[in-house]
Amino acid sequence: EPEVTQTPSHQVTQMGQEVILRCVPISNHLYFYWYRQILGQKVEFLVSFYNNEISEKSEIFDDQFSVERPDGSNFTLKIRSTKLEDSAMYFCASSVDSSGYTFGSGTRLTVV
Amino acid sequence: EDQVTQSPEALRLQEGESSSLNCSYTVSGLRGLFWYRQDPGKGPEFLFTLYSAGEEKEKERLKATLTKKESFLHITAPKPEDSATYLCAVQEGNNFNKFYFGSGTKLNVKP
Repeated sequence: EPEVTQTPSHQVTQMGQEVILRCVPISNHLYFYWYRQILGQKVEFLVSFYNNEISEKSEIFDDQFSVERPDGSNFTLKIRSTKLEDSAMYFCASSVDSSGYTFGSGTRLTVV
Repeated sequence: EDQVTQSPEALRLQEGESSSLNCSYTVSGLRGLFWYRQDPGKGPEFLFTLYSAGEEKEKERLKATLTKKESFLHITAPKPEDSATYLCAVQEGNNFNKFYFGSGTKLNVKP
């Protein structure tokens, strides 16, 4: 069964450093998303991406965040200067028609 | 205001003891309601999509139903391997760019 692949599974970074989280969505999917889940809290929407541009972003997704689809297969989330409160599980998701998403297994980001 | 509320927060069942999880929502113009299963340290795994009141979907021991205000996930004769957190998410009719997730129900099925 096709799956969304995320790397790395765990990333530890120093506060203030830049991190890039990587995702390979399912190949025929057109809609791409990033969500995050702080430990013990709800899954929260960050950003949606379609047709090579951001279609919506949440209040969390400020100027420190950016997304890119650098080639036909990868979808990345960059955090320019990480803060302690950015520590969370980050989930990439994709869908063929903006309805049911397939989520990846997540990247656990720990900012120290 | 929370768009999606799930109850109970946690549920402990004996193997074979059927029960239901609740998801109530307040979005205007529901486009779709989604149930996911999440195991510890993993991403949400898709279970069901429901689009209109009265709709029902089944998969093995799970059955999801939808009304105009809430959805139920019925678990019949659960097994220990059904232990997980069950997440409900909704999509608004005028904004299908994102889901609103509930906090989930953590289900523990004892053998």
